Amino acid sequence: ILNVEQSPQSLHVQEGDSTNFTCSFPSSNFYALHWYRWETAKSPEALFVMTLNGDEKKKGRISATLNTKEGYSYLYIKGSQPEDSATYLCASARDTNAGKSTFGDGTTLTVKP
Amino acid sequence: DTAVSQTPKYLVTQMGNDKSIKCEQNLGHDTMYWYKQDSKKFLKIMFSYNNKELIINETVPNRFSPKSPDKAHLNLHINSLELGDSAVYFCASSQGVGLHNEQFFGPGTRLTVL
Repeated sequence: ILNVEQSPQSLHVQEGDSTNFTCSFPSSNFYALHWYRWETAKSPEALFVMTLNGDEKKKGRISATLNTKEGYSYLYIKGSQPEDSATYLCASARDTNAGKSTFGDGTTLTVKP
Repeated sequence: DTAVSQTPKYLVTQMGNDKSIKCEQNLGHDTMYWYKQDSKKFLKIMFSYNNKELIINETVPNRFSPKSPDKAHLNLHINSLELGDSAVYFCASSQGVGLHNEQFFGPGTRLTVL
């Protein structure tokens, strides 16, 4: 994988459903993986920064896992609420201090009441 | 208190004009970034500055010139604006240049070139 890919592109769930989506990234020279939550007409908001293989992070009902050897991260949302509706972006950084990260195209989640 | 602020929020201008977008962060961070959200909603990095020094310059036309007068500011100047420059531009900052650091984004500036 040369680019950062996210799937699915969009997701519609009912309130209360749990859901997850995937970020795939180049596993070679991995440095860090970021997850962002981006609501329409707002700016991206950082959710997690993960650096170590096997990392698991949690913030409320949202959690993320990281597999740097195979180059993927999962984002889980437990008991989705309408306010979770947003685009979830991941960004991968390779081992450089140049401060560069490549963003995926995002997964747009819509939670219906 | 706004952590990362951008001015203006909206900018409508004619093709060929020169314009600037300002960014300021009050988080004490030493690294700042400019991103462009293109027509397909993708977020692409344009520039990154660490301690007022340019550390990333992606394939961006020379018409775009960032200027960092101090660590708290990173302004974006655009010469000879073209229709294709219409986009939302986001400023961000982080503490440290390493990408294990969380980035904080500004509210964005929507530029429309007529």
